[in-house]
Amino acid sequence: KAGVTQTPRYLIKTRGQQVTLSCSPISGHRSVSWYQQTPGQGLQFLFEYFSETQRNKGNFPGRFSGRQFSNSRSEMNVSTLELGDSALYLCASSFPSYEQYFGPGTRLTVT
Amino acid sequence: GENVEQHPSTLSVQEGDSAVIKCTYSDSASNYFPWYKQELGKGPQLIIDIRSNVGEKKDQRIAVTLNKTAKHFSLHITETQPEDSAVYFCAATRGSNDYKLSFGAGTTVTVRA
Repeated sequence: KAGVTQTPRYLIKTRGQQVTLSCSPISGHRSVSWYQQTPGQGLQFLFEYFSETQRNKGNFPGRFSGRQFSNSRSEMNVSTLELGDSALYLCASSFPSYEQYFGPGTRLTVT
Repeated sequence: GENVEQHPSTLSVQEGDSAVIKCTYSDSASNYFPWYKQELGKGPQLIIDIRSNVGEKKDQRIAVTLNKTAKHFSLHITETQPEDSAVYFCAATRGSNDYKLSFGAGTTVTVRA
C-alpha cells in the first residue's frame, strides 16, 4: 500500500505571497491532519479534515486554511506569508483506526 | 488543552544498552498514546502506540508502558543499534472524533558504536 504523499517537497516563497500544499492520504483513509514543525515550537496541530469537513482546528491565524476533496486528498493554503511561516508542513492520514501516518512533508522557506 | 512534556531532550547510549524516554500528559481524557521516530529529512514514523485500557505493549526491541493514574507513559528501547539514532516524539490524543495529536518536544537519541 502506498504511503502518504505530499507535493511539492520544497518551496521557496517571498513574504506576502500565498502558497498551496497538497497531500494524498493512504488509500482508504478518510481523515487528513496537518501539522507545522519548527525548531522552536516543535510539532503543532493545524487542522483535521474528515469527509470533506473540518473537524478540528488548532491555534493558528486565519491565514492558514485547508480543504478536503471527495477522494480524501487535501490541500492547505497559507496567505500573506510571513517569515515565521518557514517550517516543515506535515500531513498525516488515518481512519478508521486512531493510527496516524505521516508523509515526508513540504519544506517551506519564506524569504 | 493537552500539554505533553517529554524528557530527556537528548540521550546518548552505548550500542547494546537500553534507552528510556518519559512523557507526561495533562488531559485525563486522553486515551491514545503513539510514539514516532523521525530521521533527518523524513516525516515522523509511527513505531508503537498504546491505548488507555492497556498498561504495556511490546514489539521486538521496543516497549511502551502507560500509567494512567500518574498520567505518564514511557518508551523503552533495548539492545540499541546505530540505526536507532533519531529524534523520538511522544504524543497524546483523546481519539474518538478528536484526532488532534499533542506532541512532546522530542528526544534526540544517539547510539554510540
